Amino acid sequence: IAGITQAPTSQILAAGRRMTLRCTQDMRHNAMYWYRQDLGLGLRLIHYSNTAGTTGKGEVPDGYSVSRANTDDFPLTLASAVPSQTSVYFCASSPGEGTDTQYFGPGTRLTVL
Amino acid sequence: GQNIDQPTEMTATEGAIVQINCTYQTSGFNGLFWYQQHAGEAPTFLSYNVLDGLEEKGRFSSFLSRSKGYSYLLLKELQMKDSASYLCAVVDSNYQLIWGAGTKLIIKP
Repeated sequence: IAGITQAPTSQILAAGRRMTLRCTQDMRHNAMYWYRQDLGLGLRLIHYSNTAGTTGKGEVPDGYSVSRANTDDFPLTLASAVPSQTSVYFCASSPGEGTDTQYFGPGTRLTVL
Repeated sequence: GQNIDQPTEMTATEGAIVQINCTYQTSGFNGLFWYQQHAGEAPTFLSYNVLDGLEEKGRFSSFLSRSKGYSYLLLKELQMKDSASYLCAVVDSNYQLIWGAGTKLIIKP
């Protein structure tokens, strides 16, 4: 693989179900991010990780959790999905924090019914 | 609060020039990014400005005025493939990216 990948590409989920969105990068970037993108709104940061073993909360963290066990993987878990979590989810990575360019995965389109 | 303003939608003609504006009010400023996002795809990096002035990169240029809280992206010799959304994002005092909602650019033949 080259760059950053996400799985699944799309998913329809019943409300109340647990779901993990996967994100893997092979660029050895230290920082990784999860965003959601909704029509008419900018990208909103859910959680981030500046380096393996550390995570932080973004603008809209409620209902989501993340882990960063190693450099390459940064899964996002919805413990009990709700319809308001219907969105397109993008994972991104950057060499370092702050002003480094972020590189985005292809996204996961999630629908919660 | 923090705010990034961009026009929602713009229309331009193939071969012409278009300027997409972005104004911001943020807690601190550590640079401004422009990204391009085609429909159904991921955002991709276009430019980064941290100092005032114009940065030119082929058909695309980006301008920044920190005193005015203002940036623009200038696209020259428009091509149909430039039809996309253009996202403005500011790095705030906590070194986090604050994103605008994006400007959808429609190119007509």
